[in-house]
Amino acid sequence: GQQLNQSPQSMFIQEGEDVSMNCTSSSIFNTWLWYKQDPGEGPVLLIALYKAGELTSNGRLTAQFGITRKDSFLNISASIPSDVGIYFCAGKGGSEKLVFGKGTKLTVNP
Amino acid sequence: ETGVTQSPTHLIKTRGQQVTLRCSSQSGHNTVSWYQQALGQGPQFIFQYYREEENGRGNFPPRFSGLQFPNYSSELNVNALELDDSALYLCASSEGQGGEKLFFGSGTQLSVL
Repeated sequence: GQQLNQSPQSMFIQEGEDVSMNCTSSSIFNTWLWYKQDPGEGPVLLIALYKAGELTSNGRLTAQFGITRKDSFLNISASIPSDVGIYFCAGKGGSEKLVFGKGTKLTVNP
Repeated sequence: ETGVTQSPTHLIKTRGQQVTLRCSSQSGHNTVSWYQQALGQGPQFIFQYYREEENGRGNFPPRFSGLQFPNYSSELNVNALELDDSALYLCASSEGQGGEKLFFGSGTQLSVL
C-alpha cells in the first residue's frame, strides 16, 4: 500500500525562526493535505493541495505540491509559541483513501 | 455549524471485551471515516462509510466493524479487544463519496487493560 515518509521527526526552534518540513510518497498522489494536531485533540486541516506545482498559503503557512506528485512541503514563517504541535502530511492517490505520515513534532522556544 | 463530535472521550476496557464508539458528522457531510492513532504515530485508516454503505476498508481485522445511520452519524464496534487496540480513535466527516478534506473530531481515547 501507499506509504508516506515525513521528516524531520521533530524540530526544536526559537520563536521567530522559519520552519520547513516535507513528506515523500512511494507512489503518485492526486491530493496532499497538511494537518496540525494539538495534545488531546483531533487533527485540524491547515492546507489542501490538488495540483502538481501548486503553492498555497494560509497566513504564515505555505505548502507546495511537488512537481513529481510524490512529495509535498510545508513552511512556517516567523514561528510563534502557539505553532507548537504535531504536523501531519496526508495524501491520496486514485481510489485509495487518505494516508497519513508519522508526523513532525514542533517545539518553539520563546 | 456543528463540527464532528465523538463520544465517549475516554474509555477503559479489559481484554476480550467489546466496545462501541460513536460519532456525529459535521452538518452537511454524508461521509464518515474512522482512523486509529497509536501513540507517536499518524492516523491509520480503518474504514469509511458513505450513505450507510461501507466505502473502503483498511488493513484491520473483521472484529472491527461499523455502521452509518440515516442521519450520517456512525458507530465503530470492536469485538474481542486486545491490548494493542489501545489507541486514540478518530472519526472524520467529509462531503461526498470522494471528499478528501477530512474534518476530525477530538477522538476517543481507548485503553485496554
